[in-house]
Amino acid sequence: DAGVIQSPRHEVTEMGQEVTLRCKPISGHNSLFWYRQTMMRGLELLIYFNNNVPIDDSGMPEDRFSAKMPNASFSTLKIQPSEPRDSAVYFCASSFVDEQFFGPGTRLTVL
Amino acid sequence: AQSVTQPDIHITVSEGASLELRCNYSYGATPYLFWYVQSPGQGLQLLLKYFSGDTLVQGIKGFEAEFKRSQSSFNLRKPSVHWSDAAEYFCAVVFFGNEKLTFGTGTRLTIIP
Repeated sequence: DAGVIQSPRHEVTEMGQEVTLRCKPISGHNSLFWYRQTMMRGLELLIYFNNNVPIDDSGMPEDRFSAKMPNASFSTLKIQPSEPRDSAVYFCASSFVDEQFFGPGTRLTVL
Repeated sequence: AQSVTQPDIHITVSEGASLELRCNYSYGATPYLFWYVQSPGQGLQLLLKYFSGDTLVQGIKGFEAEFKRSQSSFNLRKPSVHWSDAAEYFCAVVFFGNEKLTFGTGTRLTIIP
């Protein structure tokens, strides 16, 4: 298994632009999680899905952030419009029962 | 309030020395407990986990952790560290009835020759 796949690995964009981060979970996993990691705030859970349904989005910082999971093998995290304070590493993780498997992350820089 | 604490932000140990990283949680029951490791520029990898049963759990890469209910702790140990162990270590907790992982702030481990 290739593990959790995230794309792109690096993204540099200008303030105000739309950014879309993508995640392919491990086949057979039924839960998917989006995290953000910054020096100031550490690892934060943004949102998680179970069986493609959003269960808890209380960590989504504001309306500029949205996440979708149209099917069991794909999820997106969108930021529109992006701001410099959104610069961070965004991780996707998937799980079946108890262990979450993390992707390599997308490093986002908003100028 | 439910929380997890890693009191040490940064630890430096000599190669070959023993290691103990601390983790404490605040919760009215026993949560599920995890230790993850993050190498520079990488995602997080699970080292070990505790759900119930034997309070001393063995993980990958020679790590072990001991759950102590009386101290609400789940400290990570390794008898002899290697230079490749230099990384950031995160303690994480799942509180009952919740799939969400709550992470500690992490401990950065530096290994000196």
